[in-house]
Amino acid sequence: ILNVEQSPQSLHVQEGDSTNFTCSFPSSNFYALHWYRWETAKSPEALFVMTLNGDEKKKGRISATLNTKEGYSYLYIKGSQPEDSATYLCAFEGRGSTLGRLYFGRGTQLTVWP
Amino acid sequence: GAVVSQHPSRVICKSGTSVKIECRSLDFQATTMFWYRQFPKQSLMLMATSNEGSKATYEQGVEKDKFLINHASLTLSTLTVTSAHPEDSSFYICSARDFLASDYNEQFFGPGTRLTVL
Repeated sequence: ILNVEQSPQSLHVQEGDSTNFTCSFPSSNFYALHWYRWETAKSPEALFVMTLNGDEKKKGRISATLNTKEGYSYLYIKGSQPEDSATYLCAFEGRGSTLGRLYFGRGTQLTVWP
Repeated sequence: GAVVSQHPSRVICKSGTSVKIECRSLDFQATTMFWYRQFPKQSLMLMATSNEGSKATYEQGVEKDKFLINHASLTLSTLTVTSAHPEDSSFYICSARDFLASDYNEQFFGPGTRLTVL
């Protein structure tokens, strides 16, 4: 069983604060690392798919970095807004026969207070 | 991003009955669809992978005769929970991916189905 860990489990911040969370994953057989944003009663929304060591991706106020050699990725949110409140999931995808199969962490639940 | 729908969103059934959940890719053709389930306070766990026109591949510990998967077209996959029991109560969610597309690394999820077996 692949072990994907996310921390913290939950986070409460004030509007305007910047925040970051961590995803750790196996460093072997790496193909891609996926980040999703999941609001209650909605579909998980794909944020980033990261494949290269050292990758940095950005979408608006959200950015992510990737270190495949040590097996971790950081997700950053700059100037958090109440609408950023959601659960953020990361998922590991391996090479070869496991391609396409995503192994998820438990997520980080973010609450942004106005 | 691409849209995946899932129906029903919620279902309550009696023990021993079968329940069918549909997963559709609305604006793209999905060469591969995946079925996950999530128990309370746990992560999404992959149950099976299905490719259009072929048999599904099940993850270890998932009973293929209990969770029947059909992927008859490039836009529709169904999961049937046969002879459901209370321990099958869970959140089931599908995803779809087009390995022939330029953005083949993207995987799109439906909104999920909450199954409660009484």
